[in-house]
Amino acid sequence: KAGVTQTPRYLIKTRGQQVTLSCSPISGHRSVSWYQQTPGQGLQFLFEYFSETQRNKGNFPGRFSGRQFSNSRSEMNVSTLELGDSALYLCASSFQGASGYTFGSGTRLTVV
Amino acid sequence: TQLLEQSPQFLSIQEGENLTVYCNSSSVFSSLQWYRQEPGEGPVLLVTVVTGGEVKKLKRLTFQFGDARKDSSLHITAAQPGDTGLYLCAGAGTNFGNEKLTFGTGTRLTIIP
Repeated sequence: KAGVTQTPRYLIKTRGQQVTLSCSPISGHRSVSWYQQTPGQGLQFLFEYFSETQRNKGNFPGRFSGRQFSNSRSEMNVSTLELGDSALYLCASSFQGASGYTFGSGTRLTVV
Repeated sequence: TQLLEQSPQFLSIQEGENLTVYCNSSSVFSSLQWYRQEPGEGPVLLVTVVTGGEVKKLKRLTFQFGDARKDSSLHITAAQPGDTGLYLCAGAGTNFGNEKLTFGTGTRLTIIP
């Protein structure tokens, strides 16, 4: 079966712009989580959506937001980009989170 | 705040040697998951351990969950170059609906042929 698909794979944006990243989970998975990965901070939890509702949220500023659609596809948006937002953004889906997640290949965002 | 400390942070050993990676926390988790990540890709789930004291074997990899469900270890026997990668442990919250993962600091493993 198809894995978790993230688009785009690479993105270059300018400071102050906004960006939207997309994630298509594995069919049947209703939980979608987003993580930010940087060399200095490692993998940090952004938020989790379950059946179109945000169920958990990490410690990121309000510039980071997301949503989930009825087909479980999810998007995350970052507004007013800063240089420090440069990172690999990973999406993960799960049928039941405690049993394990399947990650996408990520979107590499570079802010210049 | 739940924190997971992994040790060692970096490990470089010769092919054929054995190694152990540790994952420690002061928090209790409902499950402990181990992932391996290759450069430019997302983490790939290796195993999930749920019960305190549980031991799972995956070919040359042995995973153990501590009795108190606060720590875990990954032991690799006869390491091979294909084992090279970033190993991450991750704990899932104990409350239903709070299943977000808290990731460890990571262990970058290099196996020298």
